[in-house]
Amino acid sequence: QSALTQPRSVSGSPGQSVTISCTGTSSDVGGYNYVSWYQQHPGKAPKLMIYDVSKRPSGVPDRFSGSKSGNTASLTISGLQAEDEADYYCCSYAGSYTSVFGGGTKLTVL
Amino acid sequence: QVQLVESGGGVVQPGRSLRLSCAASGFTFSSYGMHWVRQAPGKGLEWVAVIWSDGNNKYYADSVKGRFTISRDNSKNALYLQMNSLRAEDTAVYYCTRDLSFIPDYWGQGTLVTVSS
Repeated sequence: QSALTQPRSVSGSPGQSVTISCTGTSSDVGGYNYVSWYQQHPGKAPKLMIYDVSKRPSGVPDRFSGSKSGNTASLTISGLQAEDEADYYCCSYAGSYTSVFGGGTKLTVL
Repeated sequence: QVQLVESGGGVVQPGRSLRLSCAASGFTFSSYGMHWVRQAPGKGLEWVAVIWSDGNNKYYADSVKGRFTISRDNSKNALYLQMNSLRAEDTAVYYCTRDLSFIPDYWGQGTLVTVSS
């Protein structure tokens, strides 16, 4: 149950695109299409942004998209907006009915 | 709308016990698995445990296995986390979350547990 690896921080200017990576192993990210992404603003609960690698819950802007290649999943945010500044966490099913999170990435909108 | 409200957090001494509760509403509670996820102060998210919709299957992170017990009462739309032999490293905000394809979707606002002498 080792945490998935995410960059500690990423940044971008309004209107630009940023991509956050989430690297695991064949026992979690690479083995299942159950990868999700969460947005967390300071002092708030996490909010689901992407599930099943690339599906968006109702109400999440289509500026947010997810993908996966091998053991690495990615979250891309296009047309960056000031309100996108937050911490982002990936999560993957890890087999045996357990789940594992990434260490989190702080997104700064310049 | 889906609502999850945690309670039961507080300050507890190392080695003692604490029971967290989560009141669920806005969805058919008995049809969903439920997770507990925690977040230490200034740190990332850590998956803690999951319980299936019927309560018959429960799975835990290695860090809490043998010390924590997840349970539910579908007649009361309630989820619980019994935490025994608490350690300083268990200090965190504990979130109650609903399951969607083995991962959490809706989250409560969390309850803070502080383990300190």
